[in-house]
Amino acid sequence: QVQLQESGPGLVKPSQTLSLTCTVSGGSITSSDYYWSWIRQPPGKGLEWIGYIYYSGSTYYNPSLKSRVTISVDTSKNQFSLKLSSVTAADTAVYYCAREEITIKRFDPWGQGTLVTVSS
Amino acid sequence: NFMLTQPHSVSESPGKTVTISCTRSSGSIASNYVQWYQQRPGGSPTTVIYEDNLRPSGVPDRFSGSIDSSSNSASLTVSGLKTEDEADYYCQSYDSRNHGVFGGGTKLTVL
Repeated sequence: QVQLQESGPGLVKPSQTLSLTCTVSGGSITSSDYYWSWIRQPPGKGLEWIGYIYYSGSTYYNPSLKSRVTISVDTSKNQFSLKLSSVTAADTAVYYCAREEITIKRFDPWGQGTLVTVSS
Repeated sequence: NFMLTQPHSVSESPGKTVTISCTRSSGSIASNYVQWYQQRPGGSPTTVIYEDNLRPSGVPDRFSGSIDSSSNSASLTVSGLKTEDEADYYCQSYDSRNHGVFGGGTKLTVL
């Protein structure tokens, strides 16, 4: 059973870069059947898709965040990562990583999420 | 791009049936599959419906999904409501460039 686990700093200063890693266990990140996604949820608000990466390195990003987002993959460690630059308080959110089935088009499973607060 | 609009909240009594709508602002609701996720307080979302009307294994058949082209909307129906169904529910679909789109979420209260 595949499990995903986010890790990274819980506090980031304004204007700096948020960096998170998602570790995949119980399955290979090099499977051709899946994209690997990041999704966020500001406190008390709804879900926002950030983007995804394929194991080959191909990426798709939310147009509203595209200029600040980089998603990368490390197949040797079975991990993928998120970098979000020039953060502001509006980027404070729970950040989830999730597996996306390419043919079925659903996000499943999700990690437990990690709260990142942007504050000085 | 398009938006998916959901009611902010719905409430119903245990044992009753409730339907949550998800209206697509532009383009056909039938163009891309719709998924529904349940998020209990403090938890991560889990799939209750995928590909418009399919249930993952382990999801009770009290949950059902449908789409209606005339109203350009998708619906999640929960019958025989239980207190454990109290949660936030999100619809989700894709645009033509494979960008994920989520609805704003609906808080279901079972009172």
